[in-house]
Amino acid sequence: AQSVSQHNHHVILSEAASLELGCNYSYGGTVNLFWYVQYPGQHLQLLLKYFSGDPLVKGIKGFEAEFIKSKFSFNLRKPSVQWSDTAEYFCAVKSGAQKLVFGQGTRLTINP
Amino acid sequence: ETGVTQSPTHLIKTRGQQVTLRCSSQSGHNTVSWYQQALGQGPQFIFQYYREEENGRGNFPPRFSGLQFPNYSSELNVNALELDDSALYLCASSLGGPGQSQGNTFGSGTRLTVV
Repeated sequence: AQSVSQHNHHVILSEAASLELGCNYSYGGTVNLFWYVQYPGQHLQLLLKYFSGDPLVKGIKGFEAEFIKSKFSFNLRKPSVQWSDTAEYFCAVKSGAQKLVFGQGTRLTINP
Repeated sequence: ETGVTQSPTHLIKTRGQQVTLRCSSQSGHNTVSWYQQALGQGPQFIFQYYREEENGRGNFPPRFSGLQFPNYSSELNVNALELDDSALYLCASSLGGPGQSQGNTFGSGTRLTVV
């Protein structure tokens, strides 16, 4: 069965620090990869997605993620975080089936 | 274009009761999926509806059932509620049928509390 692992449950950073959130998945076939963000009290929003092509994908709000097939990883990065990036971040995988399989989420707290 | 809307936003039910949650898909989207998000966890897939039929189901018992209507809106029904059913229930819509991987647009969810 597919699974998604997000290693960091809670990350605390200061503004302007660089961010990298880890995501690993277990599935050997072709996958589509996603990062979603959930701001406090708001709905899940798509940050970025990878379907094919360039493994380095750029998303909204300055986020990017790199798909490394050999490592089954899709880590999320941002060079300089802002206080407004405080949120819960979810990595998700979709294979040929219809469902999204989510990781447990990483709570990101940015201190001003 | 309107996004995904869910109702109600909050609900409190007693163990053993039944509940119906509603979802209007984003304009132009024909596929609806339902997810359960327990506190501190990532969303878990319940099932998906396409062309008014269930098309894929996660590891949830039969007391979780659903419907999709001709206008692509959807309902999630849960019978014989249990305390562990307390969670945020998310609806997501997308364009495309089985095997097509498309991005999902999520609603804000219905917070269900079972007491």
